[in-house]
Amino acid sequence: KNEVEQSPQNLTAQEGEFITINCSYSVGISALHWLQQHPGGGIVSLFMLSSGKKKHGRLIATINIQEKHSSLHITASHPRDSAVYICAAYGGATNKLIFGTGTLLAVQP
Amino acid sequence: DGGITQSPKYLFRKEGQNVTLSCEQNLNHDAMYWYRQDPGQGLRLIYYSQIVNDFQKGDIAEGYSVSREKKESFPLTVTSAQKNPTAFYLCASSIANQPQHFGDGTRLSIL
Repeated sequence: KNEVEQSPQNLTAQEGEFITINCSYSVGISALHWLQQHPGGGIVSLFMLSSGKKKHGRLIATINIQEKHSSLHITASHPRDSAVYICAAYGGATNKLIFGTGTLLAVQP
Repeated sequence: DGGITQSPKYLFRKEGQNVTLSCEQNLNHDAMYWYRQDPGQGLRLIYYSQIVNDFQKGDIAEGYSVSREKKESFPLTVTSAQKNPTAFYLCASSIANQPQHFGDGTRLSIL
């Protein structure tokens, strides 16, 4: 079992839908990253959070430390949101980034 | 604009050859990292460096080597000892307690 698990692995949505991607982790963490990887492969950091909630434009990230769970929400989804979304936790014995396997999101017009 | 530059974008290697992947950053970050990405798996840490002239092995260092002679540069050499080098390689950098910044990656294939 991976220390960082994401669900779903694949997600297809219609433009305008509200999207939720979930991340659960089994190690103690100091912070959690949400990353976006576009088809070319480059990765962009969306959020880093250690408690509560952060919002940037149509993106919202939440984390519940007690439940060891984080969610990434996209409101009013758009085809340009199509990408792989990766959850990564700073944790474990070495406080290095531990990555989930990613969620492939396709938003259809 | 500040950022991380990885080159080349695509790289082909013959069996038994060493190849070096370039990573340069102008963000003035102390820490730099190399990750490997395989289909269906999360990124895995190969090597990292927290300061010039110092680096540590990550989770999958066998068959790889690095150097950190300058703050802005952290090249990765994939040696012939790496039996399955075909993968997507990502370089990242950061300052303490801040999000890592990633390059656009290098895709390595074996001929």
